[in-house]
Amino acid sequence: DIQLTQSPSFLSASVGDRVTITCRASQGISSSLAWYQHKPGKAPKLLIYTASTLQSGVPSRFSGSGSGTEFTLTISSLQPEDFATYYCQQLNSYPFTFGPGTKVDIK
Amino acid sequence: EVQLVESGGGLVQPGGSLRLSCSASGFTFSSYAMHWVRQAPGKGLEYVSVINSNGGSTYYSDSVKGRFTISRDNSKNTVYLQMSSLRAEDTAVYHCTKRVYCSGGSCYGFDPWGQGTLVTVSS
Repeated sequence: DIQLTQSPSFLSASVGDRVTITCRASQGISSSLAWYQHKPGKAPKLLIYTASTLQSGVPSRFSGSGSGTEFTLTISSLQPEDFATYYCQQLNSYPFTFGPGTKVDIK
Repeated sequence: EVQLVESGGGLVQPGGSLRLSCSASGFTFSSYAMHWVRQAPGKGLEYVSVINSNGGSTYYSDSVKGRFTISRDNSKNTVYLQMSSLRAEDTAVYHCTKRVYCSGGSCYGFDPWGQGTLVTVSS
């Protein structure tokens, strides 16, 4: 199975901050990576697919980059509604594993 | 509007069985593989199973292999997850989902997701 690690696992930030989350894969996965935002009691929300494509309806402050084994999710200016847990997921080979998550909290 | 709605969750004793359903609308259900993902309380997302578009191919994570069976009825736009020999560690919210639609090429991401149905395995 392909393992994903995320860093940091937790970050405390203020509204307006630029935030970067890193996801690393245990082997190369080309661009087969997605990013999700998850809030308690809600369905996960797709933010970025195929490593860098912004999902329709997602604000442009979210962006994704990377390929191979290292990927990043960037929020250019953190908004109050962005406080949530963020997961990366690889869709290169089954099982389509998820990273352990990064919780973004209010400073 | 593309929508996925899960049902069938509840409280079940260890060793018991439960069947989850996921009803789809707003897209051509028979054209998409369907996936189940779960989240145990206080834990992250875990990939569970997939069934291809015509039901002829399935995959299960090691944690559920031999105990869970995924199936689908394209005439009813519904995918199922039959769970048996349930354990306490199967307690989770179970979501169904599908690959995101995009024009041209492969699309690596899941969208939308259902709200989920809670399965609690406890005596």
